[in-house]
Amino acid sequence: AQSVTQLDSQVPVFEEAPVELRCNYSSSVSVYLFWYVQYPNQGLQLLLKYLSGSTLVESINGFEAEFNKSQTSFHLRKPSVHISDTAEYFCAVGASNTGKLIFGQGTTLQVKP
Amino acid sequence: NAGVTQTPKFQVLKTGQSMTLQCAQDMNHNSMYWYRQDPGMGLRLIYYSASEGTTDKGEVPNGYNVSRLNKREFSLRLESAAPSQTSVYFCASLASGGSYNEQFFGPGTRLTVL
Repeated sequence: AQSVTQLDSQVPVFEEAPVELRCNYSSSVSVYLFWYVQYPNQGLQLLLKYLSGSTLVESINGFEAEFNKSQTSFHLRKPSVHISDTAEYFCAVGASNTGKLIFGQGTTLQVKP
Repeated sequence: NAGVTQTPKFQVLKTGQSMTLQCAQDMNHNSMYWYRQDPGMGLRLIYYSASEGTTDKGEVPNGYNVSRLNKREFSLRLESAAPSQTSVYFCASLASGGSYNEQFFGPGTRLTVL
């Protein structure tokens, strides 16, 4: 069985400060990892994904995540956040070759001016 | 290209009523999914369809049925709604069930069962 744990339900941070949203997973097979973002009253959008290859993956808006197999983690980081980054962030693991996703509980990032 | 569309956006039901949530995608994707989102629980898979003509249970299928009407459409039915089914429902689609490409999500249906 696979599972995902997001270690923080809420992360308040000031604008231009760095942030890390933590995600740990468990799986007995090779995994594919994703971060999705959900802005208020909207659906989910893919932020970045790890399928294979380089363990550091980046998004177009400055977020990055590093796949750490030994620590079974896929933490999301951004060196300087903006007010517009305020949203809920979900970590997910690909469950099998059916494409099913197992989601974490979500982390609400609140960026304050 | 509208992506994934869902109707209705909002719905209020009384306990015991039935309704169907509609989902359609115009990306020619093979696989489609229904999730529910509840506070503090993330998204949980209700049912999925790996390809046209097939459907399978996800993590929380009880109280729901699905129909993959054709490649474009995947509907979710509540036969007898219960307050525990108050949630936000998301439909998603994926290009291929065996490929970890991006799942595209619809805007969601916010359902309240009184």
